[in-house]
Amino acid sequence: NAGVMQNPRHLVRRRGQEARLRCSPMKGHSHVYWYRQLPEEGLKFMVYLQKENIIDESGMPKERFSAEFPKEGPSILRIQQVVRGDSAAYFCASSRGRLDGNQPQHFGDGTRLSIL
Amino acid sequence: QKEVEQDPGPLSVPEGAIVSLNCTYSNSAFQYFMWYRQYSRKGPELLMYTYSSGNKEDGRFTAQVDKSSKYISLFIRDSQPSDSATYLCAMRYRDDKIIFGKGTRLHILP
Repeated sequence: NAGVMQNPRHLVRRRGQEARLRCSPMKGHSHVYWYRQLPEEGLKFMVYLQKENIIDESGMPKERFSAEFPKEGPSILRIQQVVRGDSAAYFCASSRGRLDGNQPQHFGDGTRLSIL
Repeated sequence: QKEVEQDPGPLSVPEGAIVSLNCTYSNSAFQYFMWYRQYSRKGPELLMYTYSSGNKEDGRFTAQVDKSSKYISLFIRDSQPSDSATYLCAMRYRDDKIIFGKGTRLHILP
């Protein structure tokens, strides 16, 4: 499967724990985007990364949330000290280049995070 | 006013009917317009991608953009039960993040 791979598909955490969500982009893609989807809400942009660089984190909460895309390995979205309101589906998308012209984003099937 | 408005539905139509899905937007700076289909427990799948006013056709799907009215549409001809999903409109500025509508749930009745 050459698509965007996200794991785990489901993650359960208790309040105060840490959640780590992983995303491996499509082969040949070096740009990664993270989105959050709350029930009855649309997808909301969180952060845009290239290898070893955060390009745009304007949608990321200022506290507890961080993201990285190291030179080797998947992109990681990290949520520290989780709270009930963090329960959502988190989607990763990747593209070959910046979003200009015909560079569509391809999405993974998401990680569903549940906070007990 | 929200940047992108989309009726959440649900919209139920009989098999074989023409489906019309719509979104309005407020920011005339948007340049690219997309429609995604999302099945339950799956990620969004890109259906249509366009950057100019007018129509774009791909099989049973037609995307329509009217920049003067800030209005986009997706038409599905000869609808099938497999078209039952949530349809998300999306748009973006040049070189910038995508803004999504909330999605319209569509049910095609056999």
